[in-house]
Amino acid sequence: AQSVTQLGSHVSVSEGALVLLRCNYSSSVPPYLFWYVQYPNQGLQLLLKYTTGATLVKGINGFEAEFKKSETSFHLTKPSAHMSDAAEYFCAVSGPNTGNQFYFGTGTSLTVIP
Amino acid sequence: DTGVSQNPRHKITKRGQNVTFRCDPISEHNRLYWYRQTLGQGPEFLTYFQNEAQLEKSRLLSDRFSAERPKGSFSTLEIQRTEQGDSAMYLCASSLTSGGAWEQFFGPGTRLTVL
Repeated sequence: AQSVTQLGSHVSVSEGALVLLRCNYSSSVPPYLFWYVQYPNQGLQLLLKYTTGATLVKGINGFEAEFKKSETSFHLTKPSAHMSDAAEYFCAVSGPNTGNQFYFGTGTSLTVIP
Repeated sequence: DTGVSQNPRHKITKRGQNVTFRCDPISEHNRLYWYRQTLGQGPEFLTYFQNEAQLEKSRLLSDRFSAERPKGSFSTLEIQRTEQGDSAMYLCASSLTSGGAWEQFFGPGTRLTVL
């Protein structure tokens, strides 16, 4: 069975500081991994995804994530936080062995302090 | 490409009433998904279609819920005899099952409030 754990339901960072949002997954086979962002009262927007190949993936708005198979992790980072990054972030796992269903974590709310 | 659209964006209803939501996916996408999202939680899978066929339904989808995608284009989700526990954001997503990781594109959601 697939599952996703996001450590830290709330993260606060100062503007300009490093953003680190954690995601760990459980999967019996290499999964596809995604990070989505959700602004209030809106749907989810894809930030980045890992399928195969290079384990460091770059996404929109300066975000990137690294797939570490040995740690079953896919943590999201951004070198310098901006006020507009304040939102809810969801990690998700999918793959051929899940029928390509998406399993989402419970989300991490990011607050950026001016 | 106009993206995934959902209507209405907000719906307030009284307990016991029926409600219907509509989702229009990205035009060339053959898969369409419905999710439910409650406050403080990630989206939970409800059901999905490949073209007009409903291929899977979650155990979350009680008998009061029904979804259709009659011509493999738009989809409707109906909830009969609504209950207060049905209050949530209902999200629709679509994807194309050729190549890649079948990335899902989400609509803005329909927020349902049952009084």
